[in-house]
Amino acid sequence: EVQLVESGGGLVQPGGSLRLSCAASGFTHSWYWMAWVRQAPGKGLEWVANIKQDGSEKYYVDSVKGRFAISRDNAENSLSLQMNSVTADDTALYFCGRWRTEPYGIDVWGQGTTVTVSS
Amino acid sequence: QTVVTQEPSFSVSPGGTVTLTCGLSSGSVSTTSYPSWYQQTPGQAPRALVFSTNTRSSGVPDRFSGSILGNKAALTITGAQADDESDYYCVLYMGSGIWMFGGGTKLTVL
Repeated sequence: EVQLVESGGGLVQPGGSLRLSCAASGFTHSWYWMAWVRQAPGKGLEWVANIKQDGSEKYYVDSVKGRFAISRDNAENSLSLQMNSVTADDTALYFCGRWRTEPYGIDVWGQGTTVTVSS
Repeated sequence: QTVVTQEPSFSVSPGGTVTLTCGLSSGSVSTTSYPSWYQQTPGQAPRALVFSTNTRSSGVPDRFSGSILGNKAALTITGAQADDESDYYCVLYMGSGIWMFGGGTKLTVL
């Protein structure tokens, strides 16, 4: 079964750091771009970051550039999101997604992990 | 900054047809915007419906179809059912590796 399972969410203070992880199973992780998408409470979806199959290309939404870092370990079939200097605006449910190409879109989603930024 | 626009809400009668749109606050959506569409019910992860304008995701019934209508991407739902009542999101390629979701459309079936 193709599956993505996020972990690492929790309560973090403003200015603090948190590392999210996403474990992939049921498919060859190294064949796919991967992505993080978030959803603030009661709000819509927001694309956060993408990473190419070999990690050579990474893209971020402007609001997290310089603070968040996406990475992957293809040997471990895992995806990560290092979150630094977090603010209340980063409070959200963070989804990991398998980003297919041709045709483009996220075809597999995890269930999400919740990040709450609060003092 | 250009943003992706969607109708905040829409309603359709059971058995009816509805077309949701996905546009840009400045400019036109085309096939090279690679629009994709997602359905989300409360408390659940999104579910992929359509990729790259009009390719249905595996298992999605043909009641759901994607297209370009004028200068927008469109998702048409025919024969609306009660369980189609959800939030619908589109995402567009903005260039330079950047993607952007629309604000979502809350669809009511009544």
